[in-house]
Amino acid sequence: GESVGLHLPTLSVQEGDNSIINCAYSNSASDYFIWYKQESGKGPQFIIDIRSNMDKRQGQRVTVLLNKTVKHLSLQIAATQPGDSAVYFCAENTGTASKLTFGTGTRLQVTL
Amino acid sequence: DTEVTQTPKHLVMGMTNKKSLKCEQHMGHRAMYWYKQKAKKPPELMFVYSYEKLSINESVPSRFSPECPNSSLLNLHLHALQPEDSALYLCASSQEGSGRSEQYFGPGTRLTVT
Repeated sequence: GESVGLHLPTLSVQEGDNSIINCAYSNSASDYFIWYKQESGKGPQFIIDIRSNMDKRQGQRVTVLLNKTVKHLSLQIAATQPGDSAVYFCAENTGTASKLTFGTGTRLQVTL
Repeated sequence: DTEVTQTPKHLVMGMTNKKSLKCEQHMGHRAMYWYKQKAKKPPELMFVYSYEKLSINESVPSRFSPECPNSSLLNLHLHALQPEDSALYLCASSQEGSGRSEQYFGPGTRLTVT
């Protein structure tokens, strides 16, 4: 399940299940979005990106969905593996500045 | 080579010290970035260099001084830091500096200010 509180939101899934990590963004002018994975002690690692002229993009075992109507982004990971355990950040470019703004992050815990 | 390297991995410094963080990439990227990340928080942008020129300074205190000697190198000079500056400092690079292309991150420098 998913919990939100004073700590980083955490999603626990069993190995082999599919994971869905959600991200809400507030700026309707955002036109570029990225998902990053950050393992403990490492820098963020690119997973997948999507531009605002698309609703869906697929990679290897990952799919990003973009719903511009409700300003919502999701990352789906198929057949989740222990190596997927990490903190996942969405990031957006608001279109008015040359920078990415990161979301608060979700910790994914994969249980055996 | 899709790697961004950062040195040192760890740094402990006193509030009166002067130190520098270094970042290097050989991907031919023309934009480089410094981010600060506190525990359990997302990276926060500090500086952006585009074509070796400072294009964004996110109102960072002057005790942090960035430098881009050439298109492959990025430094962050530190002077008179405060304990609250302790954090993971991440360097990143991207093909260009519009914010609409993938940024490659280094492993970071873990800074502790005593």
